[in-house]
Amino acid sequence: DQQVKQNSPSLSVQEGRISILNCDYTNSMFDYFLWYKKYPAEGPTFLISISSIKDKNEDGRFTVFLNKSAKHLSLHIVPSQPGDSAVYFCAASARIQTGANNLFFGTGTRLTVIP
Amino acid sequence: EAGVTQFPSHSVIEKGQTVTLRCDPISGHDNLYWYRRVMGKEIKFLLHFVKESKQDESGMPNNRFLAERTGGTYSTLKVQPAELEDSGVYFCASSRSTGQGAGTFGSGTRLTVV
Repeated sequence: DQQVKQNSPSLSVQEGRISILNCDYTNSMFDYFLWYKKYPAEGPTFLISISSIKDKNEDGRFTVFLNKSAKHLSLHIVPSQPGDSAVYFCAASARIQTGANNLFFGTGTRLTVIP
Repeated sequence: EAGVTQFPSHSVIEKGQTVTLRCDPISGHDNLYWYRRVMGKEIKFLLHFVKESKQDESGMPNNRFLAERTGGTYSTLKVQPAELEDSGVYFCASSRSTGQGAGTFGSGTRLTVV
């Protein structure tokens, strides 16, 4: 039973345009959300996070938006660059409420930025 | 600082055999996590060590999997006997403290059971 869902397996975007990656979750106990980026043959790399007390967090070209009522978050990359081409994983945890540190991941979205 | 090191990077074994995966965390990181990604699916939590103690092993699929972290340094994950459905990429991650998500990931061990 998957608690974090990324319904788009792939996304292609032109260089310079905005990339929007979406993620939905079902567990209302989740209170901390993360995005990871993964290149082939490498492990996931932490990109950006947001706690449930916020609805937006920005770091350079990357912004994560959280809509708790819809149980939805999204990652915006502006402007997109060819080096952003990778698989992006959404992850969530209930660490604040439960103290547990395990993360629940989505299946990933493969982003291709076309030069 | 050196990253999280996992080996072997690839392992192909026959059903019924035993395989041991190793993870060397970043020096000084008390927290060590094991995750697994089965082909095309989500990355799933297996367990979490704090130093040498198992903090949470709720994700371990069954008793064919045994994880150890003697001395609170490197960790091993043994699968015995291996089954076809154990194939996937096994990731290890480490962090200095909790509350950092999974911390820094290694490159993973790709296990293929034939």
